[in-house]
Amino acid sequence: DVKVTQSSRYLVKRTGEKVFLECVQDMDHENMFWYRQDPGLGLRLIYFSYDVKMKEKGDIPEGYSVSREKKERFSLILESASTNQTSMYLCASSLGPGQPQHFGDGTRLSIL
Amino acid sequence: LAKTTQPISMDSYEGQEVNITCSHNNIATNDYITWYQQFPSQGPRFIIQGYKTKVTNEVASLFIPADRKSSTLSLPRVSLSDTAVYYCGRRAGSYQLTFGKGTKLSVIP
Repeated sequence: DVKVTQSSRYLVKRTGEKVFLECVQDMDHENMFWYRQDPGLGLRLIYFSYDVKMKEKGDIPEGYSVSREKKERFSLILESASTNQTSMYLCASSLGPGQPQHFGDGTRLSIL
Repeated sequence: LAKTTQPISMDSYEGQEVNITCSHNNIATNDYITWYQQFPSQGPRFIIQGYKTKVTNEVASLFIPADRKSSTLSLPRVSLSDTAVYYCGRRAGSYQLTFGKGTKLSVIP
């Protein structure tokens, strides 16, 4: 079974800090994704990667960057955290184009 | 701009068939329709996806009319464990998913 592991379930940071959210998948999937989930807004795609060192912007990339140095690991970076980035962050991976996405259990990030 | 709209909540009794309908405003020719299930404190889990007509797997059926402006997820004989949030979405091209705001299904004993 596919396992997508996010490094933290809960994280509290301060405004202005640089924040790293880590995600690892164990199934050699080509594609990895970062979403945020907010009440009443559903899931929104931040960034995705279809290969190592490749990335594409999603619907809401502003204030975020990503890094994929190895196939199994996809990092989301908040360069200077702000309170409006308080949210649930979900990582996902998929085997290839058009394949179902497998999600981790999320990181609930609070920016104070 | 394409938009996906679904009911905020639904209730059903155990053993009943549940149909959740989603509207897909301005769906693009190459978009696939997809549905995910989410339990509290967990990430979404893939249920089913399709392009048109009917798709069936071991847990659900998906009905998509010819104009593809809507889709209906059908869950046969729901149980209490089916209580969850159900998201419809569009897959644009090979990678990008866009989700609706989710339908909270409550199954009542």
